[in-house]
Amino acid sequence: AQSVTQLGSHLSVSEGALVLLRCNYSSSVPPYLFWYVQYPNQGLQLLLKYTTGATLVKGINGFEAEFKKSETSFHLTKPSAHMSDAAEYFCAVNRGYGGSQGNLIFGKGTKLSVKP
Amino acid sequence: EAGVTQSPTHLIKTRGQQVTLRCSPISGHTSVYWYQQALGLGLQFLLWYDEGEERNRGNFPPRFSGRQFPNYSSELNVNALELEDSALYLCASSAGYTGELFFGEGSRLTVL
Repeated sequence: AQSVTQLGSHLSVSEGALVLLRCNYSSSVPPYLFWYVQYPNQGLQLLLKYTTGATLVKGINGFEAEFKKSETSFHLTKPSAHMSDAAEYFCAVNRGYGGSQGNLIFGKGTKLSVKP
Repeated sequence: EAGVTQSPTHLIKTRGQQVTLRCSPISGHTSVYWYQQALGLGLQFLLWYDEGEERNRGNFPPRFSGRQFPNYSSELNVNALELEDSALYLCASSAGYTGELFFGEGSRLTVL
């Protein structure tokens, strides 16, 4: 069965500090992994995704994530936080093989705050 | 190109009433997904429609239902509303089985 665990429901960092959002997954099929961001009162926007190939994935807004199969992890990082990064971040995994089951299973989200 | 559009954006209902939410996918996308985002519960998968058929359903009671029209737009219906149905209802669409979903901005339902 597929599942996603995000460590920490809240994270506060200072502007310019490293951002590290943790995600661990469980999957009975080769995982497709995603990070989405949700700004207040908006829908979700895709940050980046891993399907196959290179395990270090670069996304929008300077974010990147590394797929580590041995650790069943897909942590999201950004070297230097900006105030505009304050939002809620969701990790997700596909339900079925290659997305064949269509929908994604989401973690509970981590709300990122950035202090000036 | 227009993204996923949802209507209405906000609505208030009372317990026992019924509500219909609407979603138009990105042009060319044939799959539509509905998620419920209730406070503290994260995103819960409700329904998946593809080519007019219901393909998968989450762990929700039968009073949550929907359909997909020939133009791939979709409706979500919730009957006999309960207080705990208060949530942001998100619609997403995708093109084929890529796994990547494109989300609308949601319909925020408040049940009093």
